[in-house]
Amino acid sequence: GAVVSQHPSRVICKSGTSVKIECRSLDFQATTMFWYRQFPKQSLMLMATSNEGSKATYEQGVEKDKFLINHASLTLSTLTVTSAHPEDSSFYICSARDRHTLGYEQYFGPGTRLTVT
Amino acid sequence: AQSVTQPDIHITVSEGASLELRCNYSYGATPYLFWYVQSPGQGLQLLLKYFSGDTLVQGIKGFEAEFKRSQSSFNLRKPSVHWSDAAEYFCAVALNTNAGKSTFGDGTTLTVKP
Repeated sequence: GAVVSQHPSRVICKSGTSVKIECRSLDFQATTMFWYRQFPKQSLMLMATSNEGSKATYEQGVEKDKFLINHASLTLSTLTVTSAHPEDSSFYICSARDRHTLGYEQYFGPGTRLTVT
Repeated sequence: AQSVTQPDIHITVSEGASLELRCNYSYGATPYLFWYVQSPGQGLQLLLKYFSGDTLVQGIKGFEAEFKRSQSSFNLRKPSVHWSDAAEYFCAVALNTNAGKSTFGDGTTLTVKP
């Protein structure tokens, strides 16, 4: 149980284009999802908290107009990297919290490797 | 400032040897505590968690962790390491007062020698 999927697993795009990454909770409902960015050999950096039916909450320093987050249902959140640039190349990981589970454990997706050329 | 510290960036152990990965936190209250494991190019998998109660918690893959309030620590242990345990390990904490968002340590890379 508690499986989170991400799609695509890898994507290469050209500078200036937009890329959408999907995060789905497959066997539970998630009112809260998180989006992280991870650089090589580093820890996870929280970008934003996505709440179903409301606007995402962005961490300080994260451009909300560049990283658009939509949490349209209890099982799906999307991250769109708009006008991507090479410096946006990174490993993006989403996680979800089960609305019926007490405590704050998160279930992570397998990640999406974004390369902007 | 609130923080999570994993003092060991890289640890190498021989297969079959015991393992202890350290984690310290600095928060006013007892947080929710987690250990996650990440294989290369993958997401994170929850190994175990502590919310309350028995301070020694058992997790998956033969891991356990002990919460020590007096030391603000939550160290991860395994009595006998397997080659497949080689991975990145992250300690994380979450607080009620922070909407349950998790703060992660910088991670410890585990290498297992044959």
